[in-house]
Amino acid sequence: DTAVSQTPKYLVTQMGNDKSIKCEQNLGHDTMYWYKQDSKKFLKIMFSYNNKELIINETVPNRFSPKSPDKAHLNLHINSLELGDSAVYFCASSQVLAETYNEQFFGPGTRLTVL
Amino acid sequence: AQSVAQPEDQVNVAEGNPLTVKCTYSVSGNPYLFWYVQYPNRGLQFLLKYITGDNLVKGSYGFEAEFNKSQTSFHLKKPSALVSDSALYFCAVRDSVDSNYQLIWGAGTKLIIKP
Repeated sequence: DTAVSQTPKYLVTQMGNDKSIKCEQNLGHDTMYWYKQDSKKFLKIMFSYNNKELIINETVPNRFSPKSPDKAHLNLHINSLELGDSAVYFCASSQVLAETYNEQFFGPGTRLTVL
Repeated sequence: AQSVAQPEDQVNVAEGNPLTVKCTYSVSGNPYLFWYVQYPNRGLQFLLKYITGDNLVKGSYGFEAEFNKSQTSFHLKKPSALVSDSALYFCAVRDSVDSNYQLIWGAGTKLIIKP
């Protein structure tokens, strides 16, 4: 069973469109994340979501919005797509504990191409 | 401010030789340190972590890392490299005094093992 899954794996779309990427984790974790990996492989945290507390990276445009219907899902919705949004988007999850810090488990990624 | 540096964009090693991938960090409190590996077109996989205790940490695939507080380093090592170790390696840190759930990531180091 896949621990963290994302759909779709590939997404090709036109500028200006709105799209969503879905993420599900079956690990029972309480915290989920969205990352953007650009063409130079830099990883940038976009959001983290823990027990209904959303932490937003201030550099993320408000065209990006995470939506969490329940603890096992954190979807990423993107409005008015731009060329610069082309990247690989990774979902991840972890169990956050007060006195330690557990590793994050990553999904396989969604390659978004904006034409 | 928290930061992670991976000073080498690329490391080349002959198969069978020892390898080292360097990581230095800067945090205000105590560091929680991680190494992840990314194979081409895949998500990131957790290798090992240092939270507290023994400075030498052993992880997956024969990798280990040594925490050095005085040098603020957490270098990844393996005694004998395999061609299959060729991948992109990321170091990450969380500051113990940071109340959010996010990791600070290095820029990644491409490891190439030549037969």
